[in-house]
Amino acid sequence: NAGVTQTPKFQVLKTGQSMTLQCAQDMNHEYMSWYRQDPGMGLRLIHYSVGAGITDQGEVPNGYNVSRSTTEDFPLRLLSAAPSQTSVYFCASSYGTGFYEQYFGPGTRLTVT
Amino acid sequence: AQRVTQPEKLLSVFKGAPVELKCNYSYSGSPELFWYVQYSRQRLQLLLRHISRESIKGFTADLNKGETSFHLKKPFAQEEDSAMYYCALSDGAYKYIFGTGTRLKVLA
Repeated sequence: NAGVTQTPKFQVLKTGQSMTLQCAQDMNHEYMSWYRQDPGMGLRLIHYSVGAGITDQGEVPNGYNVSRSTTEDFPLRLLSAAPSQTSVYFCASSYGTGFYEQYFGPGTRLTVT
Repeated sequence: AQRVTQPEKLLSVFKGAPVELKCNYSYSGSPELFWYVQYSRQRLQLLLRHISRESIKGFTADLNKGETSFHLKKPFAQEEDSAMYYCALSDGAYKYIFGTGTRLKVLA
């Protein structure tokens, strides 16, 4: 049981490049989400999904796309990277929302130059 | 607006001293409240949640609806408690809101 996995662990992009951050979970969780963690700003919700085929925007969705074709996978796409997207990105999953515990991945540290 | 406020960026205490990490929230309904912890080089993980009314690693948190607070407390800090602590709120539907975090340093 690997839990929540994320790849890559580190990435450096040039401004304007695109890339996909991968997230997978093997716990059959319906709810998955992406956060970015910035100094002094805590974790901010980018996008979330309540099940395969269903996604919605969080607090800071601009510049990011997501899709959920399977229960297991929830990739985050950066369409045209900007220096403001330099951050640590965390994927999380849980059985549901409300009082359910969220399980986090190890994070991806992204630098955009 | 929904918000979680952790007023202290850094809290330093000596080993054996009491610890209180503050968390205040702004929410119009009845939220679920959590404390998450991130130890050095480890993943963010759940420490405790209000609904469970539990004590984990000696930590407790009491929900005060009148003051809209969910402060985290421990009577005697240990060096292994040094970590980043996040207070979080769930609106019961789809969204979680995290505070900005408090770094706890327990000094020997």
